[in-house]
Amino acid sequence: TQLLEQSPQFLSIQEGENLTVYCNSSSVFSSLQWYRQEPGEGPVLLVTVVTGGEVKKLKRLTFQFGDARKDSSLHITAAQPGDTGLYLCAGAGDSSYKLIFGSGTRLLVRP
Amino acid sequence: NAGVTQTPKFRVLKTGQSMTLLCAQDMNHEYMYWYRQDPGMGLRLIHYSVGEGTTAKGEVPDGYNVSRLKKQNFLLGLESAAPSQTSVYFCASRGTGKTNSPLHFGNGTRLTVT
Repeated sequence: TQLLEQSPQFLSIQEGENLTVYCNSSSVFSSLQWYRQEPGEGPVLLVTVVTGGEVKKLKRLTFQFGDARKDSSLHITAAQPGDTGLYLCAGAGDSSYKLIFGSGTRLLVRP
Repeated sequence: NAGVTQTPKFRVLKTGQSMTLLCAQDMNHEYMYWYRQDPGMGLRLIHYSVGEGTTAKGEVPDGYNVSRLKKQNFLLGLESAAPSQTSVYFCASRGTGKTNSPLHFGNGTRLTVT
């Protein structure tokens, strides 16, 4: 069974601070996605990484896929209250049809 | 476009009652999924479908059944609800089997079983 562990589970920071969220597994994934979810809504895709060592930037968000394709990180620079939400990583499972989700990191950015 | 629509948005059931959750997508997607979300546990896959008339089990299929009679609809049924099935249920779809294609989610159904 493939599992994805996210850390930390909860993060409360002040506006302007930097933070990193981690997504780790003992399994290799062919690709990994990051989603953000706001209260009362479904998750929305932020980025997909497919190549080991790949780095993608989305404004103040930087995503990295580990060289061995077993882990990923999300770094936010100068966090803003609008970044508040639940961040979920998801990896393609044993079957390419299925996505396995991590347990999520709940981020609160205080003004 | 409406995208993925789930009905109902909220429901309260008594133990032993049955119900069906409806998911409809207007993006002509082949693949559809049902997930449940519980605090601290992310999203867990219940069942999924890779095309009209097909279904398959996910990580936590017990106590649920599904049907995909039409390509645009994916139904999730609870035959005899239990308190352990109290959760938020999300339906999702995606266009292809490629692992890097995005999942499009509905806004969820919050189910409480008393």
